[in-house]
Amino acid sequence: DTGVSQDPRHKITKRGQNVTFRCDPISEHNRLYWYRQTLGQGPEFLTYFQNEAQLEKSRLLSDRFSAERPKGSFSTLEIQRTEQGDSAMYLCASSPSGTGGYNEQFFGPGTRLTVL
Amino acid sequence: DAKTTQPTSMDCAEGRAANLPCNHSTISGNEYVYWYRQIHSQGPQYIIHGLKNNETNEMASLIITEDRKSSTLILPHATLRDTAVYYCIVRPNFGNEKLTFGTGTRLTIIP
Repeated sequence: DTGVSQDPRHKITKRGQNVTFRCDPISEHNRLYWYRQTLGQGPEFLTYFQNEAQLEKSRLLSDRFSAERPKGSFSTLEIQRTEQGDSAMYLCASSPSGTGGYNEQFFGPGTRLTVL
Repeated sequence: DAKTTQPTSMDCAEGRAANLPCNHSTISGNEYVYWYRQIHSQGPQYIIHGLKNNETNEMASLIITEDRKSSTLILPHATLRDTAVYYCIVRPNFGNEKLTFGTGTRLTIIP
């Protein structure tokens, strides 16, 4: 079990540039989540996939943000025209879906984005 | 999801039991109490969850009051590796997939 992996771990970009992050969930986990965490705060939910279907999006996910999970395996989160307020840790998590009980979310190490 | 209130920070001596409180006075009947923790520079990690009965696993114990308005996470023999931010989350077990984190309790284990 290799856990959830995220790439890159750190990204520094200039305001106005586009960035893309990748998340590889634990294999056979069909649920995948994206969260954002700013300094001193808990993670905030952004969006959630069941297989390739994006089932929920937070209002935090502005038009500049888009997430995909084309084959129901890895996912990408793209931010267009980055702003300094986008600077944060972007966390990915995955979980299995079961018919009963709680399926814990397994988090990756995150991608830290700094927008200059 | 019901709102939770936790102390901002706590210290505990290494080897002693760490007791982390959480208030959730507006919890509804179908909502569970979950605990996650986040060690510095890592993603959050699931610890334990419960509905109304006390729960125990290899990491911790969860004590929920009879009226379910508060709970306590107990780490029985705290080690330096337990230094982390601990989040208490209340949500239904089904139909609401996202986790709503507050600011948590920063627990520092003192050698």
